[in-house]
Amino acid sequence: NSKVIQTPRYLVKGQGQKAKMRCIPEKGHPVVFWYQQNKNNEFKFLINFQNQEVLQQIDMTEKRFSAECPSNSPCSLEIQSSEAGDSALYLCASSDSANTEVFFGKGTRLTVV
Amino acid sequence: QQKVQQSPESLIVPEGGMASLNCTFSDRNSQYFWWYRQHSGEGPKALMSIFSNGDKKEGRFTAHLNKASLYVSLHIKDSQPSDSALYFCAVSSGGNYKPTFGKGTSLVVHP
Repeated sequence: NSKVIQTPRYLVKGQGQKAKMRCIPEKGHPVVFWYQQNKNNEFKFLINFQNQEVLQQIDMTEKRFSAECPSNSPCSLEIQSSEAGDSALYLCASSDSANTEVFFGKGTRLTVV
Repeated sequence: QQKVQQSPESLIVPEGGMASLNCTFSDRNSQYFWWYRQHSGEGPKALMSIFSNGDKKEGRFTAHLNKASLYVSLHIKDSQPSDSALYFCAVSSGGNYKPTFGKGTSLVVHP
């Protein structure tokens, strides 16, 4: 069983509100990913970290999201101003290096009303 | 930019039957290929990887890779109702740190 822990499992926010979700990666995994999975099950890569440093992120993440992976604290992803189109399952995942198995959490399901 | 396409979108097979899932990718530099399975309400979980051309068998699951044809597949023998799930192909290049996922195949195995 994956030991990537995501909280909360469900999050409901109004448009314009901040939405923050957290992730504890598997112990010892330096690489952390965030993906958005929409209602059609499509994955959109958002951002990844190696240790505390951002490796890659898409434009949307850079402009509208705040993300960090501090040492000895959970990683977090926060939407600064939620929009209806942000309603999705947000999946956090970790791995021990590039191109090895990626372990996913159960996700945070965000609904923006 | 890497494009990963899966077919079919959905598949229904009888219990004990063979399920065949297909995946094509666009980047010829792709090196690492994974199949993930996602049950309802759960995050995806890796089933198996394949990195070299040819077949790789793990229990009831066989993956096939043909890099020249930009094609990878997964075959599930003796399908069980518990195999009913979404199946995703994930592709990455060396040092990319960013697997690209296909849109998935929804498999239903009926008793």
